[in-house]
Amino acid sequence: ETGVTQSPTHLIKTRGQQVTLRCSSQSGHNTVSWYQQALGQGPQFIFQYYREEENGRGNFPPRFSGLQFPNYSSELNVNALELDDSALYLCASSPFGPVNTGELFFGEGSRLTVL
Amino acid sequence: EDQVTQSPEALRLQEGESSSLNCSYTVSGLRGLFWYRQDPGKGPEFLFTLYSAGEEKEKERLKATLTKKESFLHITAPKPEDSATYLCAVQDTQDSGYALNFGKGTSLLVTP
Repeated sequence: ETGVTQSPTHLIKTRGQQVTLRCSSQSGHNTVSWYQQALGQGPQFIFQYYREEENGRGNFPPRFSGLQFPNYSSELNVNALELDDSALYLCASSPFGPVNTGELFFGEGSRLTVL
Repeated sequence: EDQVTQSPEALRLQEGESSSLNCSYTVSGLRGLFWYRQDPGKGPEFLFTLYSAGEEKEKERLKATLTKKESFLHITAPKPEDSATYLCAVQDTQDSGYALNFGKGTSLLVTP
């Protein structure tokens, strides 16, 4: 059974650019959520997707957007990148449906550096 | 206002030296409290869920306990492989139920 996989693992962008991060959820998991983890901080909730619809969102501006596909994989898009967007972006999947039981399966993350 | 505060920020133990990590939280109502372990360059790994005061969970050398205001992660006779950052997170009944609110973590180093 493969776990949660994310790509790319590392990337560097300049301020104002756009970025797309990808996530393949664990087999059988129908819910995916995204978290941002700045250096030395705990993860911060961005949003959650269930059945291809966003069903929960944290305190992030609209330039953070996402998609979930029929195979439950997901994308995180960030427009107009700012220096503060530099962070580890974590994808987490869950088999428990839209109500988050708190037991999440995290990928290893995508490390984004904005210059 | 931070919902979750973890202490200490960093802890260094000798192998076999037991200790406890603290997680204090502020919520309107507790839906659940969660402990995760995060190794450098990796995503968090789920350890425990606690729902109500007085509840305890154990796994190998780790034991998590919960009171109305805080949770402790007790590490008994730790080994170097227990070195990691331990994250505490809560869900508030006032939230939608989708987000985990994490603390900043405690970085644990166990030396031989």
